[in-house]
Amino acid sequence: EVQLVESGGGLAQPGGSLRLSCEVSGFTVRTFEMSWVRQAPGKGLECVASISFSDTDVHYADSAKGRFAISRDNDRKSLYLQMNSLRLEDTAIYYCVRNAAASGLAAFDFWGQGTVVSVSS
Amino acid sequence: DIQMTQSPSSLSASVGDTVTITCRASETIRNYLNWYQQKPGKAPTLLISAGSSLQSGVPSRFSGSRSGTDFTLTISGLQAEDFATYHCQQSHRIPWTFGQGTKIDIK
Repeated sequence: EVQLVESGGGLAQPGGSLRLSCEVSGFTVRTFEMSWVRQAPGKGLECVASISFSDTDVHYADSAKGRFAISRDNDRKSLYLQMNSLRLEDTAIYYCVRNAAASGLAAFDFWGQGTVVSVSS
Repeated sequence: DIQMTQSPSSLSASVGDTVTITCRASETIRNYLNWYQQKPGKAPTLLISAGSSLQSGVPSRFSGSRSGTDFTLTISGLQAEDFATYHCQQSHRIPWTFGQGTKIDIK
């Protein structure tokens, strides 16, 4: 059974940092592209960061460039999102998501339950 | 980035109604359009991929179609468990982008 479990969310001050983690099971994380998708309160979905299965390609939303860094540890079956210089508008639920493109399905086929990030002074 | 314009942002409907949600891409995305369902307090789940391919376990009352850069999600015979928010997403070009979402609530 595929599972993605996020952790690391919480309350941070503007300008602060948080590191989100996502532990996966039920599949080999190194063979899939992975992404972080966020949803601000009452808003739509935004893909903030993605990493290719070979780790050679990473992509960031303009809102995240220069502040967020996505990485993974294949041995630990984990995906990470380092968030620095946090802003009020980064407040959102952050979802760890599997991208099924490597298996021929260009979609996010599995999602974690989400972790809440609140940025407030 | 490809912009996805989804409408309406919300609608009220009754059990048994047929509802349609549309999503327009700012440029051609071929059939790279997915639909997700999100229930309150839960993560989205993939409903339809490639414009019209239902995922395993999705009831046949859900259907998707395409006309150029316009995509439609139709629910024929709304059931109580269908009251949720629906999101479209293009997966033609990185960054994959979403529509603003459509919330269906009970009339």
